[in-house]
Amino acid sequence: DAKTTQPPSMDCAEGRAANLPCNHSTISGNEYVYWYRQIHSQGPQYIIHGLKNNETNEMASLIITEDRKSSTLILPHATLRDTAVYYCIVRVAGGTSYGKLTFGQGTILTVHP
Amino acid sequence: DTGVSQDPRHKITKRGQNVTFRCDPISEHNRLYWYRQTLGQGPEFLTYFQNEAQLEKSRLLSDRFSAERPKGSFSTLEIQRTEQGDSAMYLCASSQSDRWNEQFFGPGTRLTVL
Repeated sequence: DAKTTQPPSMDCAEGRAANLPCNHSTISGNEYVYWYRQIHSQGPQYIIHGLKNNETNEMASLIITEDRKSSTLILPHATLRDTAVYYCIVRVAGGTSYGKLTFGQGTILTVHP
Repeated sequence: DTGVSQDPRHKITKRGQNVTFRCDPISEHNRLYWYRQTLGQGPEFLTYFQNEAQLEKSRLLSDRFSAERPKGSFSTLEIQRTEQGDSAMYLCASSQSDRWNEQFFGPGTRLTVL
């Protein structure tokens, strides 16, 4: 699986959009971008995934650049409960992949009042 | 459905003792994963089951570690002769074997080896 690079920490004001970047310059054509987050003392939680098109769900939006070498997770209206470590993961979906996740150190997002 | 559950949530043991953790996945999920997480690091993959078959093990899983998933339902992770370096959060996740393989994680078992 391709390696990802994320900033170690970011701050965001409550109610504002949080934009979390991720670089994955060695991504392969069959690899997807997944985002998980981990709130303190809890297990990781799936947020969203995408291949090359922008994706949106009830939690967040995922913007993937045209060359697929980077992406941005957007939390449109951050709340204090969004304070967590956010992990960007690149992996193959389907096929013979067993789906194990390779986590980096992630980005610690702190949402402040 | 109450999600993935793990038991115990916390375990303190003395070096050299054996410990066993249990994971109950979401009932319709046939894939089950174990991860280990140390302070300040992301989770690291340990092993994976599809139904009752253990299909992949990380080299992190030394001979002192063994995992089982009898009947393809709950799973146990045993650590024999614990060492201080085994102190970590042990996370279990489950998923369906569909294309996207979204994994649902349990709350973890925090192991402290004195």
